[in-house]
Amino acid sequence: GAGVSQSPSNKVTEKGKDVELRCDPISGHTALYWYRQSLGQGLEFLIYFQGNSAPDKSGLPSDRFSAERTGGSVSTLTIQRTQQEDSAVYLCASTPGTHSGRLNTGELFFGEGSRLTVL
Amino acid sequence: SQKIEQNSEALNIQEGKTATLTCNYTNYSPAYLQWYRQDPGRGPVFLLLIRENEKEKRKERLKVTFDTTLKQSLFHITASQPADSATYLCAPVTGGGNKLTFGTGTQLKVEL
Repeated sequence: GAGVSQSPSNKVTEKGKDVELRCDPISGHTALYWYRQSLGQGLEFLIYFQGNSAPDKSGLPSDRFSAERTGGSVSTLTIQRTQQEDSAVYLCASTPGTHSGRLNTGELFFGEGSRLTVL
Repeated sequence: SQKIEQNSEALNIQEGKTATLTCNYTNYSPAYLQWYRQDPGRGPVFLLLIRENEKEKRKERLKVTFDTTLKQSLFHITASQPADSATYLCAPVTGGGNKLTFGTGTQLKVEL
């Protein structure tokens, strides 16, 4: 597609359930980010993928959170045993990628986000 | 620790006036700084990028300044319109960093 696509757009789940959020980046973009935005808050970095390099997982808040990126394209963010504090909008962004491992100066292209509500 | 500060209070201005938003950062030496716009329920959209060796950057009614001595960027919207109402986010970026860190954003409301 023309832009970053995320699904589902809305997800309501019960505490303790696992959820999967999907991100389909812009074709050809090698770098992919996940951010979390709680109500009225800024964007919180979660994880970064760049090509075949090991992902930067330094922003994942707990071991209940994990992410994969298959084939250098689609990414899935998984939250296990969801808690109410996990309720937020999860945003995915992609960018053409880095040069020699350094962030390029280009813009991030964001999806519209997946709104997660944990009851 | 690295910190990015943007006015947490909403900025209300009258249509036609110039809006000025502030982004201050500490414990950073960004090589460049990006500004994004976010509308309610939407993902952020890139607006402008300014490099550390640039004092000012313009795009249509938008102007960004970058003062590495003051560790501050100012974002101006001239001849503001109600359609400019949104939250504006700044993101200073270090040259070797892989994660783009955002400020909490400032909400701008342009009134008729």
